[in-house]
Amino acid sequence: SQTIHQWPATLVQPVGSPLSLECTVEGTSNPNLYWYRQAAGRGLQLLFYSVGIGQISSEVPQNLSASRPQDRQFILSSKKLLLSDSGFYLCAWRGGYGYTFGSGTRLTVV
Amino acid sequence: KQEVTQIPAALSVPEGENLVLNCSFTDSAIYNLQWFRQDPGKGLTSLLLIQSSQREQTSGRLNASLDKSSGRSTLYIAASQPGDSATYLCAVALFSGYSTLTFGKGTMLLVSP
Repeated sequence: SQTIHQWPATLVQPVGSPLSLECTVEGTSNPNLYWYRQAAGRGLQLLFYSVGIGQISSEVPQNLSASRPQDRQFILSSKKLLLSDSGFYLCAWRGGYGYTFGSGTRLTVV
Repeated sequence: KQEVTQIPAALSVPEGENLVLNCSFTDSAIYNLQWFRQDPGKGLTSLLLIQSSQREQTSGRLNASLDKSSGRSTLYIAASQPGDSATYLCAVALFSGYSTLTFGKGTMLLVSP
């Protein structure tokens, strides 16, 4: 069966520090992968999606970037975090039964 | 641009009640619609997926309907329980392949014992 792993679960980082969040999928090949962010009191916003290795599409301009170095690995990064980057980050993949989401990373920038 | 609206934003009911959560979307040319549940501080759990050619899907006490032409979906929860307390999110995909999901802001449900 397919599973999606996301880590870390929580993260507190100072303003200006770098960020790396990792997501991996098991049990499937060539998945479509997505990063979403959920800010307090707001809906889920799509940040990036990837249809294959090295292929990244960005939905909104921002302080973040994404990379897909391997088929089942999707990484969200930032060189210098801003306070506004705080939020709940969710990785997802799309299969025949719709979308499956990871357990999320709660990022607090202080 | 696809917009998804969920009504009500919050709902509080006593245990045992049957309830209906509503979702509407502006572009009826959807590929499928998915209902999720989110517990506080947790990720999203998929509840039901309805393809555009389907009218409804059922899983246990949950039943989701889809009226694509009118841009509406409802999630029916029978005999609600305190464990059903969570935020329920509706999301639509416009096409297959790499189509992204557009989410509503959710309905926060509280079922009291």
